[in-house]
Amino acid sequence: KQEVTQIPAALSVPEGENLVLNCSFTDSAIYNLQWFRQDPGKGLTSLLLIQSSQREQTSGRLNASLDKSSGRSTLYIAASQPGDSATYLCAVGGSNYKLTFGKGTLLTVNP
Amino acid sequence: NAGVTQTPKFQVLKTGQSMTLQCAQDMNHEYMSWYRQDPGMGLRLIHYSVGAGITDQGEVPNGYNVSRSTTEDFPLRLLSAAPSQTSVYFCASSYNRQQWVDTQYFGPGTRLTVL
Repeated sequence: KQEVTQIPAALSVPEGENLVLNCSFTDSAIYNLQWFRQDPGKGLTSLLLIQSSQREQTSGRLNASLDKSSGRSTLYIAASQPGDSATYLCAVGGSNYKLTFGKGTLLTVNP
Repeated sequence: NAGVTQTPKFQVLKTGQSMTLQCAQDMNHEYMSWYRQDPGMGLRLIHYSVGAGITDQGEVPNGYNVSRSTTEDFPLRLLSAAPSQTSVYFCASSYNRQQWVDTQYFGPGTRLTVL
């Protein structure tokens, strides 16, 4: 059974800092990995989708990398802003047509 | 496009009552799913559908029923509510029936409390 772990569970940084969020998974036979953002009391918004054949994806200040063999992904946020404060979740897609989610990292960016 | 819509936003039930959580999407997506999100547990898949007339169970299906009579709608029915079903429920959809291929679009959620 696929298990997805996100470290740290919570992170607080000053505005302007570059930061990295980590995601690890136990079964490397994945089809893709997605990073989502969730604001308090809201649904999830997809940020980046990395197919298993890709190594990274970029969108604006966000860069996500994928290392299937080691079962790891990172989400890099450059020049963080208070508006980046949210919970970030990663999810892996496997052969059973389902996404397995991590429990998320709660990010707080302080002005 | 309205995207994925869910009603109601909040609901309080008594133990044993039944109700239906509504989910609709206007993007002509094949794949639709229901998740529940609980503190410390992450999101867990309840039921999913790869097209009209086709549904299947996810990780935690007990106590819930679904049907998919149209492409647009995917209601979730609680047959006899229990306090363990207190949670936030999210509906999601994607264009491709192989949901892990495509970007997932989530609704705003329904916060359910069972007393």
